[in-house]
Amino acid sequence: DTGVSQDPRHKITKRGQNVTFRCDPISEHNRLYWYRQTLGQGPEFLTYFQNEAQLEKSRLLSDRFSAERPKGSFSTLEIQRTEQGDSAMYLCASSLGGADTEAFFGQGTRLTVV
Amino acid sequence: AQSVTQLDSQVPVFEEAPVELRCNYSSSVSVYLFWYVQYPNQGLQLLLKYLSGSTLVKGINGFEAEFNKSQTSFHLRKPSVHISDTAEYFCAVSETGGFKTIFGAGTRLFVKA
Repeated sequence: DTGVSQDPRHKITKRGQNVTFRCDPISEHNRLYWYRQTLGQGPEFLTYFQNEAQLEKSRLLSDRFSAERPKGSFSTLEIQRTEQGDSAMYLCASSLGGADTEAFFGQGTRLTVV
Repeated sequence: AQSVTQLDSQVPVFEEAPVELRCNYSSSVSVYLFWYVQYPNQGLQLLLKYLSGSTLVKGINGFEAEFNKSQTSFHLRKPSVHISDTAEYFCAVSETGGFKTIFGAGTRLFVKA
């Protein structure tokens, strides 16, 4: 397995456009997380899936943000009507087990809203 | 709610010198503690973790960390750093029985020749 992969690695979009990012976790991992990282900050938790169930989404930044994980495999994060403040690195991570297990991170998708 | 404070945003150090990266956390419940490293243009990877038991935890690349419950700290140390240790280091905490990991703002370690 090649680890967690994210696509695209970079995305430049105009303000007001919608964007969608994809994350492919390590195949046997049942837990999948989305984080956002801005310059000079650590990753900020956004949402979490256990298999296909989204068990926590209260930290999604607004109703413009939504995430899915159909069939408990890959996941998508969509941002509608992007704003300049959405510019950040969006990280995906997966793990097998609970809060005591290692999370494996992808390299992230860097979003720039112009 | 949990929080993590990394006391130094940048730490410059000469090669082969010792280094300590400081981390303090707050939580009302029992926690697990982690250190992750992020090399340039790479994803975060786990250096080490504390779950329970011995308060001194050894990780990869010669790093170790000590859990101090009374001081709510989890400082990362290495006795002799290499140029290749230049990276961003993140301290993180998760509640036992929880699901999300909270990260500190990171410490940039810069090793000079």
